[in-house]
Amino acid sequence: NAGVTQTPKFRVLKTGQSMTLLCAQDMNHEYMYWYRQDPGMGLRLIHYSVGEGTTAKGEVPDGYNVSRLKKQNFLLGLESAAPSQTSVYFCASSYNGGGADQETQYFGPGTRLLVL
Amino acid sequence: AQSVTQPDIHITVSEGASLELRCNYSYGATPYLFWYVQSPGQGLQLLLKYFSGDTLVQGIKGFEAEFKRSQSSFNLRKPSVHWSDAAEYFCAIWYSSASKIIFGSGTRLSIRP
Repeated sequence: NAGVTQTPKFRVLKTGQSMTLLCAQDMNHEYMYWYRQDPGMGLRLIHYSVGEGTTAKGEVPDGYNVSRLKKQNFLLGLESAAPSQTSVYFCASSYNGGGADQETQYFGPGTRLLVL
Repeated sequence: AQSVTQPDIHITVSEGASLELRCNYSYGATPYLFWYVQSPGQGLQLLLKYFSGDTLVQGIKGFEAEFKRSQSSFNLRKPSVHWSDAAEYFCAIWYSSASKIIFGSGTRLSIRP
């Protein structure tokens, strides 16, 4: 049971390049999330998904797209990277957000992205 | 609007001393509250959570937190810190109407030998 995994761990992009970050979970969780973490700002939600085939915008969705074609995977895409997207990206998953223990989020190890 | 405030950006305590990290929230209903810890270069790990019932919640690594509705607070405590507790700590609240968690900005804890 690997939990939540993220690929890649680190990436350097040039402005205007595109890339996709992959998040995978093996806990059969319904909900998945993408956050970015910047110094002094905590974690900010980019996009999230409440089930396979669904996505929704979070606090800071501009410049990012997501897809949830399979329940276990949640992809975050940058179509045209900008220096402002330099950050650490975390993926998380949770059971189904329905109450009690189900809101607990499990986090991946993060992807460090540098956009030059 | 729902929000979480961690008023202390950085705290330094001596090894063996007690610790209290502050968290205040703004929410209209009974909140679901969490504390997460992030060690350098790592993801976030859940320390403890409060949903209902006993307002004093025990977590992993010897941490506890107390929910005080009258003060809108959920402070994290540990009676005696260890050098390995040096990390960043995040308080968070579950935003039920939008199915997402809102995180505070974090408190970085340093341990003085």
